[in-house]
Amino acid sequence: EPEVTQTPSHQVTQMGQEVILRCVPISNHLYFYWYRQILGQKVEFLVSFYNNEISEKSEIFDDQFSVERPDGSNFTLKIRSTKLEDSAMYFCASSPGVVSGNTIYFGEGSWLTVV
Amino acid sequence: KNQVEQSPQSLIILEGKNCTLQCNYTVSPFSNLRWYKQDTGRGPVSLTIMTFSENTKSNGRYTATLDADTKQSSLHITASQLSDSASYICVVWRSNYQLIWGAGTKLIIKP
Repeated sequence: EPEVTQTPSHQVTQMGQEVILRCVPISNHLYFYWYRQILGQKVEFLVSFYNNEISEKSEIFDDQFSVERPDGSNFTLKIRSTKLEDSAMYFCASSPGVVSGNTIYFGEGSWLTVV
Repeated sequence: KNQVEQSPQSLIILEGKNCTLQCNYTVSPFSNLRWYKQDTGRGPVSLTIMTFSENTKSNGRYTATLDADTKQSSLHITASQLSDSASYICVVWRSNYQLIWGAGTKLIIKP
């Protein structure tokens, strides 16, 4: 079964450093998402991406964050000047379309620890 | 306020027993409701998607119900197995991109 793959699975970074989290969505999917989950808390929506641009973003997704689809297969989340509170599991997801019945497929997550 | 509330917060049952997890939502406009299973440290996996007109939907030993009038949903797990130990998250699809997530019910199956 096709799957969303994410790298790295775990990254430790120092506060203030930049981090890039990488995702390879399912190949025929058109919509891509980033979510995060702080340990013990709810999954939170960050951003959705379609046709090479951001479709929607949450309040969390401020100027510190950016997304990019650099080469037609990868979908990246860049976090600039990381803060301690950015420590979380970051999930990439993709779906074939945005019709409400579409399943959203999640990757296994990238666990980011900011120290 | 758009919210999804789940109960109980956690549940421990013996292997082979049945259980029911609850979800109440106050999300508008409502598009559909999803149940996800999330193993610890892993990504959520979709179990069911229910639209406004669907009352019941099954996926193997998982049966979800939806009452759109009372804005309640339940997930019933039959003949539980050790591998069912996970968090079960209720998610309501509000718009094209916005999913409202519940906090999940942590289910532990004991042998």
